[in-house]
Amino acid sequence: GQQLNQSPQSMFIQEGEDVSMNCTSSSIFNTWLWYKQDPGEGPVLLIALYKAGELTSNGRLTAQFGITRKDSFLNISASIPSDVGIYFCAGQSTSGGAQKLVFGQGTRLTINP
Amino acid sequence: IAGITQAPTSQILAAGRRMTLRCTQDMRHNAMYWYRQDLGLGLRLIHYSNTAGTTGKGEVPDGYSVSRANTDDFPLTLASAVPSQTSVYFCASSDPPSPLHFGNGTRLTVT
Repeated sequence: GQQLNQSPQSMFIQEGEDVSMNCTSSSIFNTWLWYKQDPGEGPVLLIALYKAGELTSNGRLTAQFGITRKDSFLNISASIPSDVGIYFCAGQSTSGGAQKLVFGQGTRLTINP
Repeated sequence: IAGITQAPTSQILAAGRRMTLRCTQDMRHNAMYWYRQDLGLGLRLIHYSNTAGTTGKGEVPDGYSVSRANTDDFPLTLASAVPSQTSVYFCASSDPPSPLHFGNGTRLTVT
C-alpha cells in the first residue's frame, strides 16, 4: 500500500535548538497533516495544510505543503522539554466521505535539558 | 469533556479467543476509523465508516470486523485473535473535511 517516508526516525537535541523533519511520498495528497503523540496517548493534530505551497505556523511550529503535493516538512523552533514525543506526518485523500490517512513511520524527538 | 472513549485501555488475550474493542464518540462525527500502530510502521487503517450503517475496508482489514449501528459507537472485533494482532489500536472520528480526532488507544497483547 501507500507509504510515506518520514525522516529522521529519531533526533536527540539540546533544549533551545531548532528541529526539522520531513515526509516524502510517491503519491499526491490533497492534505498534509502533522500529529504529535505523547506516551500512552493518541496522536494530537498540530498543523493541517490544505494547499500546495502553503506555509502555516502554530506558535513555534511551522509546516509547509510541498509544491509538488508529494512532500511536507515540519520545523520546531527553540525546542522546550514538552516538545518531547513522536511526530507523525500524514497524507490525506478523501474517498466517498471518509478521510483516509497514510502515516509516516514517525520521528521520535528526545531533548536533553 | 467531548472526545473519544476507548475500552479497555489494555488487554492480554489468548490466541484463538474473540475480542471486541469498544469506541464511543460524543462529537456527533459522521466518520469513524480504526487504526493499528506498530513500531516502525506508523499507523495503518483497518476499517472505516463514512456514516452510521456503512463500513469500508482499510489497508489491513484481514482478521477484523466492524459495525456501525449508530453515530456514536464503532466497535472492532477480532473473531479469533492471533499473535500478529498484538498492537496498539486507535479509534478516530471526523466530521469531513475537518481532520481526525484520535482516542487514547487500546494496547492488545495476544499470547
